[in-house]
Formats: sequence, structure tokens, C-alpha cells
Amino acid sequence: DTGVSQNPRHKITKRGQNVTFRCDPISEHNRLYWYRQTLGQGPEFLTYFQNEAQLEKSRLLSDRFSAERPKGSFSTLEIQRTEQGDSAMYLCASSPRWFLPPNYGYTFGSGTRLTVV
Amino acid sequence: DAKTTQPNSMESNEEEPVHLPCNHSTISGTDYIHWYRQLPSQGPEYVIHGLTSNVNNRMASLAIAEDRKSSTLILHRATLRDAAVYYCILRDPNNAGNMLTFGGGTRLMVKP
Repeated sequence: DTGVSQNPRHKITKRGQNVTFRCDPISEHNRLYWYRQTLGQGPEFLTYFQNEAQLEKSRLLSDRFSAERPKGSFSTLEIQRTEQGDSAMYLCASSPRWFLPPNYGYTFGSGTRLTVV
Repeated sequence: DAKTTQPNSMESNEEEPVHLPCNHSTISGTDYIHWYRQLPSQGPEYVIHGLTSNVNNRMASLAIAEDRKSSTLILHRATLRDAAVYYCILRDPNNAGNMLTFGGGTRLMVKP
């Protein structure tokens, strides 16, 4: 397994456009998380899935944001009508339901860096 | 979620040990102490975690105070590749979502 994969790595878009990011988690992980990280800050939780069910959403996830995980495999995060304040790194992480040795941690992807101009 | 407090930045010389402190005075009995680090242009990666006893793994050691209100991540011999932001996070496995709540972390700079 090659870990958590995120595409694209970079995205530049004009304000008002829609963008979609994809995350492919580790195949045996049934939990998937989305985080947003702005420059100089730690990642902030956005939402998480257990299998295909979206179980929690942060108040940071405005109605312009939507996330899906069809069939409990890959996930997409869509931002509609992008604003300059949406410029950030969007990180995806996956984890098993139960942590067993030697894998105790969440596995993060390298992120998608969004720049809204 | 219980909060952690870390210095904004620390500096170390290469090949020397580094002690990264974390205060978590409001830790609950079920909170585990996790450490993650984030290298430049990458997502965070798991380093180590513990509950009450000190822990060692191939990456680092974790020293936990007896009252659990503070902990220290120890890198035994810092290398240039250890330059990263280190996050100390409390995680309650009984939390339904198990999501991680990151603070600002400590930016570790390693000088050759």
C-alpha cells in the first residue's frame, strides 16, 4: 500500500469557481478525515466518514463545502463558489476503527494546496 | 477537548538530544498523549503516544510526568531531517469520532 493519496497536489482557481479534491485512503482503513490548514497554523478538523457515512462535520464546513465517500472507498471534497479565504492546504487522513500494534496513528496524505486568486 | 501548550519554536544542534515540552494541565484520565510531526510540504505523521508510562520507539521517546499534566518528546540525536513542526495532542479513544485536535505546535529548527 502506498499510503494516503491526494490529488491534485496543487490547484489554482479564480474566485467564484468550483473545485473538487480527491483522497484515496489506505484500503483497509474504514475511517477518513478531512482537515484544512492555513499558513502557520495547525490542521483544523472539517469532517469525517466511517465507511460511507459522514458522521461529523465541523462548523468550519460551510454550506459551500460538501464531502462524499461513495462506497466507503475514496472521498471527494468540493468547494463551490470559492473565496480567497478558502486558500489553504486541504489534508486527508485515514485510520482503522481500532488501533492495533504496530499502527497506532492516523495516516495523512501530503495534501492539496488551494490558491484562490 | 483538553488543551495542550507548547513553545512556538525551539532550536537544536545536529547530533544533540532535543527535549520538546508539552503542558496539558486539564488532561482527563482517559486522554492519551499523542505526538505528531509535520515536515515541510507534507502531512502530519505519527511519532509516538502514551498514557501513563514512558514510551520508546524507533523515532523518539516520550516522558510523561507522574501527574500527567506535562510530557516531553525526546529526540535522542537530532538530524537535519528532524526539522519539522511537532504537535502534542490529547486523544480520548472513547471520543466517537476520534479526530485529532491540533494546536500550533513547536517548530523545531536543527542547525548543522
